[in-house]
Amino acid sequence: DAGVIQSPRHEVTEMGQEVTLRCKPISGHNSLFWYRQTMMRGLELLIYFNNNVPIDDSGMPEDRFSAKMPNASFSTLKIQPSEPRDSAVYFCASSPHSRDETQYFGPGTRLLVL
Amino acid sequence: AQSVTQPDIHITVSEGASLELRCNYSYGATPYLFWYVQSPGQGLQLLLKYFSGDTLVQGIKGFEAEFKRSQSSFNLRKPSVHWSDAAEYFCAVGAGDTGRRALTFGSGTRLQVQP
Repeated sequence: DAGVIQSPRHEVTEMGQEVTLRCKPISGHNSLFWYRQTMMRGLELLIYFNNNVPIDDSGMPEDRFSAKMPNASFSTLKIQPSEPRDSAVYFCASSPHSRDETQYFGPGTRLLVL
Repeated sequence: AQSVTQPDIHITVSEGASLELRCNYSYGATPYLFWYVQSPGQGLQLLLKYFSGDTLVQGIKGFEAEFKRSQSSFNLRKPSVHWSDAAEYFCAVGAGDTGRRALTFGSGTRLQVQP
């Protein structure tokens, strides 16, 4: 059974460019989460969706960040324009519909903005 | 709002020695509690979780954790550490009965294992 799939695994881009990160949650899971991990700030929740609807985006740093979930099997996190301070590892996680709040993490996308 | 504190940023133990990683949480009701492990360059893997019932929970890789409500703690333990346990460990708390499904993570404890 495939876990959470993220692409790309690594991304190097120049400041000002648009970056799109992709996530495929585990089939049957109805909650999806985007996190950012940096040395300075640790693991931060950016946004999460329930049944494809954004529930809490209070962690999104600013208007340069946007996230969508057009269907139950796909989500994107977009940064436009990107800045060097966006360099981090971005994780996607999914959780099943139940009282169980266990989140299953993808391998992450390591982003470097030059 | 809930919060999690992992007071130890970095711990070094010898292989074969016992291990305890500390986690303290702040939450008004009964929390959902988790321990995750992250190996270098990898995502987070669930070690164990507590929702209710027996306060001593067993996880994968020989880990266990004990929920102590009076101390607001959920410490992770292992009787004998293996070199492959070197990684970063995260404690997390969920909001349980509020319906908010997001977890709050601690800042992590990096475990180094000496031969």
